[in-house]
Amino acid sequence: NFMLTQPHSVSESPGKTVTISCTRSSGSIASNYVQWYQQRPGSSPTTVIYEDNQRPSGVPDRFSGSIDSSSNSASLTISGLKTEDEADYYCQSYDSSNQVFGGGTKLTVL
Amino acid sequence: QVQLQESGPGLVKPSQTLSLTCTVSGGSISSGDYYWSWIRQPPGKGLEWIGYIYYSGSTYYNPSLKSRVTISVDTSKNQFSLKLSSVTAADTAVYYCARVVAAANWFDPWGQGTLVTVSS
Repeated sequence: NFMLTQPHSVSESPGKTVTISCTRSSGSIASNYVQWYQQRPGSSPTTVIYEDNQRPSGVPDRFSGSIDSSSNSASLTISGLKTEDEADYYCQSYDSSNQVFGGGTKLTVL
Repeated sequence: QVQLQESGPGLVKPSQTLSLTCTVSGGSISSGDYYWSWIRQPPGKGLEWIGYIYYSGSTYYNPSLKSRVTISVDTSKNQFSLKLSSVTAADTAVYYCARVVAAANWFDPWGQGTLVTVSS
C-alpha cells in the first residue's frame, strides 16, 4: 500500500496564489489519476479537480491541478484567493487494490 | 442530478454491528459506469475509504478493514448497504456514501454523511 502526504496547513492572503502538494510514497504518481476535494466545515467533500487536471462544471478556473513525476507528487493551485476558499482540501488516488486519501490540508485565507 | 442519502442508527454499542444504507435517487445504481462506495471520517480527522461495490455485486474493500466489512447492493430499491462488525470506539465517525466514476476512480457526488457513535 502507498500513502499520500499533504502539508497539514497552509495560509495566504486574499487575492494571492497558493499551492498544496500531495506526494505519493510508492508507485508512480502518473500511473493513476489524482483527484482533489474541498470540504467546508460541516459539509461533505466536493470535487474541485478530477483526472489530475480537469475541473467539474461550476468550479472556477482559479483552481488548477498538475502532476510532477520528478517529485512523484500532485499539486492543487488556487489563484486569486477568496475567503470562501477557506476549507480542508484532500487529494485522492488509487492502485489495483486500494483507494487512498491524503491526510488533508487546512487552507486559511487571512 | 444524482443524489445519495445515508440512513441508519446513530448509536451502536461496542462489539455490535454497524449497519447503514445509502439510497440513490436521480439515477440508476445499475449503471455500468460507476461503483458505489462507503467512506468514513472520524471527528476532526481525515477521510478513509471503506470499500465499494459494483451493481453486479462485485466488492472491493480496504485491506485494513476487510475482515469486518460487508457491502451489499439491492438494485430493486436503488440502494446499497454497509455492515461493519465488532465495532469499537475507534469506529466512531461520519460515514459517507458516494458514487465512483469507474474510469477515473473519482468519488462524486457524496451523500451528506451520517454520524455514527460507538458507545455503551
